[in-house]
Amino acid sequence: DIQLTQSPSFLSASVGDTVTITCRASQGISSYLAWYQEKPGKAPKLLIYAASTLQSGVPSRFSGSGSGTEFILTISSLQPEDFGTYYCQQLNSYPLTFGGGTKVEIK
Amino acid sequence: EVQLVESGGGLVQPGRSLRLSCAVSGFTFGDYGMHWVRQAPGKGLEWVSTISWNSGSIGYADSVQGRFTISRDNVKNSLYLQMDSLRAEDTALYYCAKETLDRYTSGWYAYYGMDVWGQGTTVTVSS
Repeated sequence: DIQLTQSPSFLSASVGDTVTITCRASQGISSYLAWYQEKPGKAPKLLIYAASTLQSGVPSRFSGSGSGTEFILTISSLQPEDFGTYYCQQLNSYPLTFGGGTKVEIK
Repeated sequence: EVQLVESGGGLVQPGRSLRLSCAVSGFTFGDYGMHWVRQAPGKGLEWVSTISWNSGSIGYADSVQGRFTISRDNVKNSLYLQMDSLRAEDTALYYCAKETLDRYTSGWYAYYGMDVWGQGTTVTVSS
């Protein structure tokens, strides 16, 4: 099974900062990686798919990069509404797996 | 408007069964793969199962393999999850979710992400 390791598990940043979240896969997954944002009491929201394709309606301050085993989610100019927990997910092969999550706090 | 509405959750004793349903509307259901994802209280997201547009490709998490069965009815626009031999560790909020790309764009049995989610249905396994 493919394991996904996210880092950091928690980060606190100020409005306007650029933040990066890393997701490392235990084996190569090409570009079959998605990023989600989850807020308390709400269903997760797809931000990025195919490692770098921005989902329709998602602000352009979100971007994804990487392929193979290392992937990065970047939030440029962090906004107050960007708080929440971010998850990566690999869809290269069964069983599909999620990373452990990164909780983002706005200072 | 694309909508997914889960139902069928509840309180069930260990070892018993439950069947979740997900009624969809607003898109051509038969053109998309579908997923079940769960979240235990205070925990992260856990993928449970995926079914391709034509039921030709199905996958399960190791934790539910042999106990859960995913299925779909493309005429009734519905997705199902039959859960047998339930355990306390199956207690969670269960979401159904739509694959983001249709079968024409994604290629044969390829998945890219879950772009629409239901509101979830809660399953509690306890005696």
